[in-house]
Amino acid sequence: DTGVSQDPRHKITKRGQNVTFRCDPISEHNRLYWYRQTLGQGPEFLTYFQNEAQLEKSRLLSDRFSAERPKGSFSTLEIQRTEQGDSAMYLCASSLLTGTGKKLFFGSGTQLSVL
Amino acid sequence: AQTVTQSQPEMSVQEAETVTLSCTYDTSESDYYLFWYKQPPSRQMILVIRQEAYKQQNATENRFSVNFQKAAKSFSLKISDSQLGDAAMYFCAYINGGSQGNLIFGKGTKLSVKP
Repeated sequence: DTGVSQDPRHKITKRGQNVTFRCDPISEHNRLYWYRQTLGQGPEFLTYFQNEAQLEKSRLLSDRFSAERPKGSFSTLEIQRTEQGDSAMYLCASSLLTGTGKKLFFGSGTQLSVL
Repeated sequence: AQTVTQSQPEMSVQEAETVTLSCTYDTSESDYYLFWYKQPPSRQMILVIRQEAYKQQNATENRFSVNFQKAAKSFSLKISDSQLGDAAMYFCAYINGGSQGNLIFGKGTKLSVKP
């Protein structure tokens, strides 16, 4: 068990560019979550997958954001036409479907800076 | 809508002493879970302790314990015998029993441990 892995750890981009982040969950976990954390705030829920199905999306997830989990394993989060307001840390988490009492295991996040 | 409030932006404790971090929440639900997560400078959110709302007994994990006051909607974290490695941001979080991944976090408390 190597934990939840996120890549890259840091991303600097110019406004208007597209960026993509990757998350590899704990191998046996069938649920995967994306959260966003801005400076001085706690994480905010964006979306979650159960296997390859995206089951819930927050109103924070604008049309410029898209998340996929094509084979029910790793996930990608893409932001198109980035804006300065997108600057934040993007956290991925995973969990088992049952039996863990809502315990989420988080990765170390991808810090996005939009210039 | 559910909310989580942490009223202490920063706290400080002397090594080996005890410190209590405060958290209050607002919900009309009866089935829910509460968590304390620790976020060190490495940025990974680490689960410290979890409490099911239906359990009257306060959760304990080694040096960490909670004081869960359901009627008052209060969920404080007590850290005993504080260690330098306890220095981090601490986030209180809530999730409905029927929710699959929408953890609601407070803004966090930054804990410093003085040697």
